[in-house]
Amino acid sequence: EVQLVESGGGLVKPGGSLRLSCAASGFTFSNAWMTWVRQAPGKGLEWVGRIKSKIDGGRTDYAAPVKGRFTISRDDSKNTLFLQMNILKTEDTAVYYCTRVPGGATQADNWGQGTLVTVSS
Amino acid sequence: QSVLTQPPSVSGAPGQRVTISCTGSSSNIGAGYDVHWYQQLPGTAPKLLIYVNRNRPSGVPDRFSGSKSGTSASLAITGLQAEDEADYYCQSYDGTLGGWVFGGGTKLTVL
Repeated sequence: EVQLVESGGGLVKPGGSLRLSCAASGFTFSNAWMTWVRQAPGKGLEWVGRIKSKIDGGRTDYAAPVKGRFTISRDDSKNTLFLQMNILKTEDTAVYYCTRVPGGATQADNWGQGTLVTVSS
Repeated sequence: QSVLTQPPSVSGAPGQRVTISCTGSSSNIGAGYDVHWYQQLPGTAPKLLIYVNRNRPSGVPDRFSGSKSGTSASLAITGLQAEDEADYYCQSYDGTLGGWVFGGGTKLTVL
């Protein structure tokens, strides 16, 4: 069974940094493309970014609102996905979901339970 | 403003059929990129409902169906049940933005 478990959320001041983790199990993580999707309180879903598998080049792509501030990385030896968030803004407040993307696809077939990030002074 | 446009809400009585539209543009749905649908039950993470326009993952009832035409897509739910009450989101890829785009979500109320 595919499992994705996010951690690392919490309260941070504007301008601060936070690193989220997503522990994956139940599938061959190294072959998977992964994405982060966020959802502000009471709002809709917003794509944050994606990382391809290393065998497919390992490329990362980001949504415009986070480009240059957020970095997605992966540790295939630990089956873990990361989201490093820097220069956080109040508008980054959201639940952050880790998702799995079937190889080469454009949809998320499995989602974690999410972790809440609150950016507030 | 979401790149893909969905109605904010739809409703229907148990047993009825409802449809949810998702309108995009020539840089996403109209460019031929696939449309996917997610169901988000209250207080839970989204779940893939329809992928590649019309395919259902294992376990999704055949009461749910998807279609795509031109710059739009639709999700149809037949035989409405109380458990279908949820938020529904469409999603595609945008070639101009270079990433995924979502609709704003549609809240389905079962009367």
